[in-house]
Amino acid sequence: KNEVEQSPQNLTAQEGEFITINCSYSVGISALHWLQQHPGGGIVSLFMLSSGKKKHGRLIATINIQEKHSSLHITASHPRDSAVYICAVSSSGGGADGLTFGKGTHLIIQP
Amino acid sequence: KAGVTQTPRYLIKTRGQQVTLSCSPISGHRSVSWYQQTPGQGLQFLFEYFSETQRNKGNFPGRFSGRQFSNSRSEMNVSTLELGDSALYLCASSPRASGSRTGELFFGEGSRLTVL
Repeated sequence: KNEVEQSPQNLTAQEGEFITINCSYSVGISALHWLQQHPGGGIVSLFMLSSGKKKHGRLIATINIQEKHSSLHITASHPRDSAVYICAVSSSGGGADGLTFGKGTHLIIQP
Repeated sequence: KAGVTQTPRYLIKTRGQQVTLSCSPISGHRSVSWYQQTPGQGLQFLFEYFSETQRNKGNFPGRFSGRQFSNSRSEMNVSTLELGDSALYLCASSPRASGSRTGELFFGEGSRLTVL
């Protein structure tokens, strides 16, 4: 079973700062997802990646398959980025146990 | 394109009762997966259906079951409810099955279940 570790668990930063959230996993995967959850529960998929790097607006996600590590970066952070960011992995070989989730990073961006 | 729709959004049940939750995926999506979210355990995978077949199942007791219909709509059922079943239940749809490199997930707003 894959173990997914996220760091930090909590992060408070000032508006405009560059944010990095890290995710490490223990066994091979077919895909890694970065999710965003705002208060109230709704979850939005930010990225799904299996190699390299993806960029969407101010968000950048990278993955290093050899290191079993992914990072989510937020440039020019804004208070509306305040949310819980969750890393989830699909294990390779068919994913008999579906997605495994990290415990999330609670991000607060102060104006 | 309509998003993923979950019903009901909120419900209150008592111990011992059963509950059925519904999920309508995005049109054309054949994969529906279900998740439980609690403050203590975080998000946990329940099961996934693809083209009416259960592909994966998480580590939950047999009281938790699900099914998928030919139109890809899915239901999950929890029987003999316990206090610990109080949670936010989320479903997600995807055009591809899990394990696929193209299976981006689209989540519904969730059904919040309270068991008294």
